[in-house]
Amino acid sequence: GQQVMQIPQYQHVQEGEDFTTYCNSSTTLSNIQWYKQRPGGHPVFLIQLVKSGEVKKQKRLTFQFGEAKKNSSLHITATQTTDVGTYFCAGNQNSNYQLIWGAGTKLIIKP
Amino acid sequence: DTEVTQTPKHLVMGMTNKKSLKCEQHMGHRAMYWYKQKAKKPPELMFVYSYEKLSINESVPSRFSPECPNSSLLNLHLHALQPEDSALYLCASSQDITVPDGYGYTFGSGTRLTVV
Repeated sequence: GQQVMQIPQYQHVQEGEDFTTYCNSSTTLSNIQWYKQRPGGHPVFLIQLVKSGEVKKQKRLTFQFGEAKKNSSLHITATQTTDVGTYFCAGNQNSNYQLIWGAGTKLIIKP
Repeated sequence: DTEVTQTPKHLVMGMTNKKSLKCEQHMGHRAMYWYKQKAKKPPELMFVYSYEKLSINESVPSRFSPECPNSSLLNLHLHALQPEDSALYLCASSQDITVPDGYGYTFGSGTRLTVV
């Protein structure tokens, strides 16, 4: 069936280290969205990518959409404690307007 | 107003109870959604309303009954739930269901439901 694979499930980093999460779809995506969910919170929309090979930046966050529009990544440079949470990718496949969600990657800052 | 408001924030109900979850948005969004989220899992789509009409019903048990009284309000009526229905219930809205508009979904803070 339609699915978006997201890895890793967890990533433990020291504060100041970088963090990356990856999403891969079995079929071409028309667009991909990224959300952040803080512990005990709700998903918050970060960004949407639509174009093949698109790269967008938000301060320390860099989002990429693959050339084939089947994969995407989120990279955080120099993590801070405020970055803690679970990052989800979610995409639309072709003309289907239902979002297909990745399983999420939980960012944990080591004490 | 760029928020989706959900009430109540927490709900404990027995398996024979009837309760309702409420959701409100004043962003002029034409699509509204109910999601269910279990711990450590992504949100799972339950229902979609587009222009106040039920557009998607993801084979959800009939003990969950959605209602969209107007373009700003969305309710989820609960009846005879099971303990496995305990979860975070999220309401979301978007400008439209068909167009990737660059603004994504706006989620409410959710109702944390416990069925005892």
